Amino acid sequence: EVQLVESGGGLIQPGGSLRLSCAASGFTVNTNYMSWVRQAPGKGLEWVSVIYTGGSAYYGDSVKGRFTISRDNSKNTLYLQMNSLRAEDTAVYYCARDGTTVGTFDIWGQGTMVTVSS
Amino acid sequence: SSELTQDPAVSVALGQTVRISCQGDSLRRYYASWYQQKPGQAPVVVIYDKKRPSGIPDRFSGSSSGNTASLTITGAQAEDEADYYCNSRDTSGNLYVFGGGTKVTVL
Repeated sequence: EVQLVESGGGLIQPGGSLRLSCAASGFTVNTNYMSWVRQAPGKGLEWVSVIYTGGSAYYGDSVKGRFTISRDNSKNTLYLQMNSLRAEDTAVYYCARDGTTVGTFDIWGQGTMVTVSS
Repeated sequence: SSELTQDPAVSVALGQTVRISCQGDSLRRYYASWYQQKPGQAPVVVIYDKKRPSGIPDRFSGSSSGNTASLTITGAQAEDEADYYCNSRDTSGNLYVFGGGTKVTVL
């Protein structure tokens, strides 16, 4: 079965760091475009970051310089290292696959909640 | 970067037709995808590249013209009540962008 399972969310103080994981099954992360998308409580979807098959990574303006996307091919897992966290980073974080390469997220995880608060 | 603009909310009578629009410069070059999200659930793609993934009812259809993409629900059902988001690549082609979402209420 093709699926994504996120983990690593939780409560963290402002300025802290957290690493999210996204374990893939049924396909390989390094042969797909993989992204993180977040959704603040009661708000819309916000694209966060992408890692392409060649290893190039891109970020949204709101997280550039603070977040780092990576993958471990041996574990078939995607990561998001989040540093210098702010209250406005509070959101459900989803990992998603662009399996069509035309910008469509065809597979989504169930999401993991990150709460940044003192 | 670029932005996609959606109407915040629309309503439709049961069994009637509703069209949701999404506007942005990136849509002149890239296809829009559409996602349905119900409370507490992850988004699900309902239209991409004007195609329907398997399992998506044929009452969902997509179209586009110029800088505007549209999602049409023909014969809306109660279970179609949800938030709908569009997305595409941004104008650079390297990033992704989402619209602000449209809440569809079925009356």
